[in-house]
Amino acid sequence: GEDVEQSLFLSVREGDSSVINCTYTDSSSTYLYWYKQEPGAGLQLLTYIFSNMDMKQDQRLTVLLNKKDKHLSLRIADTQTGDSAIYFCAEIPSGAGSYQLTFGKGTKLSVIP
Amino acid sequence: NAGVTQTPKFRVLKTGQSMTLLCAQDMNHEYMYWYRQDPGMGLRLIHYSVGEGTTAKGEVPDGYNVSRLKKQNFLLGLESAAPSQTSVYFCASGLAGVDEQYFGPGTRLTVT
Repeated sequence: GEDVEQSLFLSVREGDSSVINCTYTDSSSTYLYWYKQEPGAGLQLLTYIFSNMDMKQDQRLTVLLNKKDKHLSLRIADTQTGDSAIYFCAEIPSGAGSYQLTFGKGTKLSVIP
Repeated sequence: NAGVTQTPKFRVLKTGQSMTLLCAQDMNHEYMYWYRQDPGMGLRLIHYSVGEGTTAKGEVPDGYNVSRLKKQNFLLGLESAAPSQTSVYFCASGLAGVDEQYFGPGTRLTVT
């Protein structure tokens, strides 16, 4: 089946930029998503990018998409302690008639004050 | 507007017991999903529904059953719980297609 890969951990200092990387395998994926999970909570959609875009910016968040390498990244500028969470990359593989999301295992971001 | 709610929040079962997890959404969403989250495994889809009265299998359906008798509710049943079903269960709903999925707060289930 399709697989979405992420590194499991990332640690940054408060005020620095964080970059969370993801690789996916389905080149036909139309949308790619970033979800955030805070401790003890469900997932919340952070942002998404359509596959015909290379970049999307939303305040402190920048999403870069390299379709050739099937690589997706999420950059958080001026990282704050409130950004500490698990970040999941997700795709909707082609042929997923119900638009089922396939998630990566998640990257735990720790922000050091 | 409560969004997606799940009951119960926590449960401990003995092996072989049965239980039902309830998911409710008040956003009039057609699509509903049940996921399980295990350490180091991310989220995996158990079952899903594309509308009232419909259900379908996801990636890891064995040992679970579901029902969608009403549009706003999606029930996940464990007929005979096993320790391998110890997990955090998340329900999600969405309007359709590639729209955002809205997640509930989760149910932490332990099977001893």
